Amino acid sequence: GDSVTQMEGPVTLSEEAFLTINCTYTATGYPSLFWYVQYPGEGLQLLLKATKADDKGSNKGFEATYRKETTSFHLEKGSVQVSDSAVYFCALRLLSAGGTSYGKLTFGQGTILTVHP
Amino acid sequence: NAGVTQTPKFQVLKTGQSMTLQCAQDMNHNSMYWYRQDPGMGLRLIYYSASEGTTDKGEVPNGYNVSRLNKREFSLRLESAAPSQTSVYFCASNRKVRGETQYFGPGTRLLVL
Repeated sequence: GDSVTQMEGPVTLSEEAFLTINCTYTATGYPSLFWYVQYPGEGLQLLLKATKADDKGSNKGFEATYRKETTSFHLEKGSVQVSDSAVYFCALRLLSAGGTSYGKLTFGQGTILTVHP
Repeated sequence: NAGVTQTPKFQVLKTGQSMTLQCAQDMNHNSMYWYRQDPGMGLRLIYYSASEGTTDKGEVPNGYNVSRLNKREFSLRLESAAPSQTSVYFCASNRKVRGETQYFGPGTRLLVL
């Protein structure tokens, strides 16, 4: 079945450090890929997305590139801030044969990021 | 435009009690979803409704039922709560468009004693 695997956390960094959170996936078709962020006590918010191979999603200084050859969608940020402390989820969504999204998301287990001043 | 709203925010139940979690969206979305979030397991899909009038099981449907009351509302019912259903429950919705993101509610924290 379809699955998403994220690097195990938690991840602890100092402010202005470089961040990478690895994400790899297994899917039978051609998924859209997403990174969601969950701040303490809140629901999930979309951080960025990519819908086809070699697409790069970016938002708030975060980037991730859809790599079909390595089935990966690693999240990176050049200089993290304390306000980036949150849980990050990688997710995929498959398309139906007709090209219309089912909408169902498959999530990784989440990576807790803590950034210290 | 409130987005996705959920009630209640927090609930404590005793084993065997029943309750309904409510979810509503005001974005005219076709599809709605119920997930549960447990530590170290990400979010797992319980049930979803691809469009008004349809519902389907997700990854972990046992012990739950759902009702798509209309296009706006999608409720999740626990008929006989068990401690294993202690979790945070999220409702989400989206349009049926390629690449469309899902919008999540703030969550309901449920504790079953």
